[in-house]
Order: sequence, then structure tokens, then C-alpha cells
Amino acid sequence: AQTVTQSQPEMSVQEAETVTLSCTYDTSENNYYLFWYKQPPSRQMILVIRQEAYKQQNATENRFSVNFQKAAKSFSLKISDSQLGDTAMYFCAFTLSGTYKYIFGTGTRLKVLA
Amino acid sequence: GAVVSQHPSWVICKSGTSVKIECRSLDFQATTMFWYRQFPKQSLMLMATSNEGSKATYEQGVEKDKFLINHASLTLSTLTVTSAHPEDSSFYICSARLSGRAYQETQYFGPGTRLLVL
Repeated sequence: AQTVTQSQPEMSVQEAETVTLSCTYDTSENNYYLFWYKQPPSRQMILVIRQEAYKQQNATENRFSVNFQKAAKSFSLKISDSQLGDTAMYFCAFTLSGTYKYIFGTGTRLKVLA
Repeated sequence: GAVVSQHPSWVICKSGTSVKIECRSLDFQATTMFWYRQFPKQSLMLMATSNEGSKATYEQGVEKDKFLINHASLTLSTLTVTSAHPEDSSFYICSARLSGRAYQETQYFGPGTRLLVL
């Protein structure tokens, strides 16, 4: 069975600084997708970034980038130039190709400090 | 693009009544929709997977007679909480995945429905 682990329940970062959120997963499969979602206080889940396992290149979306280490089964999220609006709960999610069901981590609560 | 709406955003009902929550994909067709439940400060728990035109698939431990799911069209899925009790109070979130397009592995989430059963 696949599992997703987020080992940092809470983190804080100063505005304009960089922060990295960690996520590890366990699977014996080779074809899968990984995601980071953001859930701000409004509780709307917002897609931050996605990564296909078959792609070696790390995904990047503006200030958000990932460090995908397939052999280590690690998928960390780096947020550069942190903004107050980045304050949210961040969930790492895994899905096997073709199953479409997500497995979520327990989340990391990020607070950006002014 | 890929906007998902939910209605209502919050609902208060008396114990024993039934509540229907709608989930709509506004600008795309969704072959599959998912229903989640989220308790305060916890992760999302998948309740069921809803495929258009067929019966929903429920996760282990979720009562299908309690949580009725209907996916009658490619843009609408409904969750009905039957004979609601206070322990059903929670935040319910739906999501949808695009069909027949790139990024079909990606789920897009609705804004959620907060249910309070008195």
C-alpha cells in the first residue's frame, strides 16, 4: 500500500524568506503523480504544483518549485520570497497512474510572519 | 479554467433530517468526482468515488446507505447525508478530474460545505 508522510506539522518563515516543506512517500510502483495543494483559512484546496514521476526535471510554478528525488521517494516543496498570502495548510498528495485516487499526507501548517 | 463549485457552502439542520450537497464542474466535463470529509486540523479523508452514470464506489468504513451519491451528468454530482446526526457534522469537499484531456490525473476541488447537525 502507498503511504505519504509529512513530518513537519508546523513551520514558520519570515516574509520574503525561503522555506522548504518535506514530503516522503512509499510505493513499489513506477508510474505515479505527486502534487502539492494549499489550503488557506478559507479551506479551498488550491493546486500549487504537480510532478509526473517519469519526468526527471523538477516542476516549477513561479515562486514554487519541487525537489523530486525518485530513488529516495522524496518530494519537497520550496517556496521562495514567501508572502503573507502563503500562510496555509499544505498537503502533499500521491496518485498511481490510472487509479485517480489521491493519498494525502497529514499536512504542514505554514505561517508566514511579517 | 477547471472551476468546481459546491452548494450550499454551509448548512445547519436538525438531527434526523437529510441534507443534499451539490458539486458542479463549471467549465469542464468531469467523468469522475470524489467526495471527501475533513475534520478540524486533519487531512482529507476520501469517502467515495463517483463516476458518471454508474454507482459510486465507497471507501471502507463509509456507509453507502448513509451517504448517498448520485452522478447523473458529466457536470453534477450530489451527496445526500440521510438521517443526519451530530456526529455527521463535518466539512465535506468534492473534487473533479478532467476527462479526455491532459492533466486528467489532477483533481480540482470545490470550496467545501460545512455541515452542522443539531
